[in-house]
Amino acid sequence: DAGVTQSPTHLIKTRGQHVTLRCSPISGHKSVSWYQQVLGQGPQFIFQYYEKEERGRGNFPDRFSARQFPNYSSELNVNALLLGDSALYLCASSLYVGSYGYTFGSGTRLTVV
Amino acid sequence: QQQVKQSPQSLIVQKGGISIINCAYENTAFDYFPWYQQFPGKGPALLIAIRPDVSEKKEGRFTISFNKSAKQFSLHIMDSQPGDSATYFCAGRGMDSSYKLIFGSGTRLLVRP
Repeated sequence: DAGVTQSPTHLIKTRGQHVTLRCSPISGHKSVSWYQQVLGQGPQFIFQYYEKEERGRGNFPDRFSARQFPNYSSELNVNALLLGDSALYLCASSLYVGSYGYTFGSGTRLTVV
Repeated sequence: QQQVKQSPQSLIVQKGGISIINCAYENTAFDYFPWYQQFPGKGPALLIAIRPDVSEKKEGRFTISFNKSAKQFSLHIMDSQPGDSATYFCAGRGMDSSYKLIFGSGTRLLVRP
């Protein structure tokens, strides 16, 4: 079985641009969450989606948005990129919100220049 | 605000030794405490986890000790091996509608051969 798949793996963007990151959960998993991991720090929660509905949002500005599709895949969008948005963006999936054992993907490394 | 504090920041252990990583949390609104292992360029992988009604959990060479009254928990890696060299994160899972993970800042473990 494939794990959590994220694309692209690496991305370089210029300040002010927009970026879309994609995530495909493990087959059968209906919940997807997004985390930002700045170099040298632990991951920080951005969003949680379950059955296409937002179930939680972390302390991130409105420039960050996400959605979940009927096939349970998800997109994270970031507008008006700042240098400080440079990080590893991780997607995690689980069977449902509240189930134990989140499985993380390998992430998308975003560099803003 | 929910926080998880992790120490030490880095740890060097000889092969065959015991690695100990400590975490403390600042409120009681957590229902699950996982430990993740992360290798460079990869996403965090679930290593072992415990619920607060259990004081100890052992899986192979990995043991979690949990002290609910002190709000502290620790990871012990017995017979540490060079392949265990990675960054380790403790986390607490919140009990709000998102069940988000709150991560510690990480411990970089190096096991010398």
